[in-house]
Amino acid sequence: SYVLTQPPSVSEAPGKTATITCGGDNIGTKSVHWYQQKAGQAPVLVIDYDTNRPSGVPERFSGSNSGNTATLTIARVEAGDEADYYCQVWDSSSEQYVFGTGTKVTVL
Amino acid sequence: EVQLVESGGGLVQPGGSLRLSCAASGFSFSDHFMDWVRQAPGKGLEWVGRIRNEINGYTTEYAASVKGRFTISRDDSKNSLFLQMNSLKIEDTAVYFCAREWDSWGQGTLVTVSS
Repeated sequence: SYVLTQPPSVSEAPGKTATITCGGDNIGTKSVHWYQQKAGQAPVLVIDYDTNRPSGVPERFSGSNSGNTATLTIARVEAGDEADYYCQVWDSSSEQYVFGTGTKVTVL
Repeated sequence: EVQLVESGGGLVQPGGSLRLSCAASGFSFSDHFMDWVRQAPGKGLEWVGRIRNEINGYTTEYAASVKGRFTISRDDSKNSLFLQMNSLKIEDTAVYFCAREWDSWGQGTLVTVSS
């Protein structure tokens, strides 16, 4: 089955840029969604179709996808960005959605 | 405002069954695909399955871990989504979320499988 690998944790100081990677075999050929999940809450879609930012998501959030890595970038990180972040793709070969392993973002 | 409210969670013994519901409001439920996602305590997100809309034949897809045990259905007349869970295992213990094409999620309902 298709596997998406994320770093367990990312830490950045306020105002800096946090970068979260999502590695998968030829992930650049798939559409990637990204979710933010704060403690005790439901996930929230922050990027869909690799680079699209849904309404209401700050412009500080951006996405890219190429080769074997998709990336979520959070510019000018704030304390309110502390959360777990998950990538997700549809694996057409197994006809299943797959979530990444998740990355905990800590704002120092 | 889009609202999704799950219900039906609780404590069930291994081998037992449970039926979860997701009540939808604030949008045209019948137009949308719907998914179930679960999250075991302290763990990551796991997709459970999807049901498409009427135009797409109400077809379903399931994760390998639940295929043959779980069934997703919907009642468009009642704006409701369901997850019938049979032959439950301890490892099915999780918060179960319903989601509308990923852009809206409910708050989840906890299912605990334990003897």
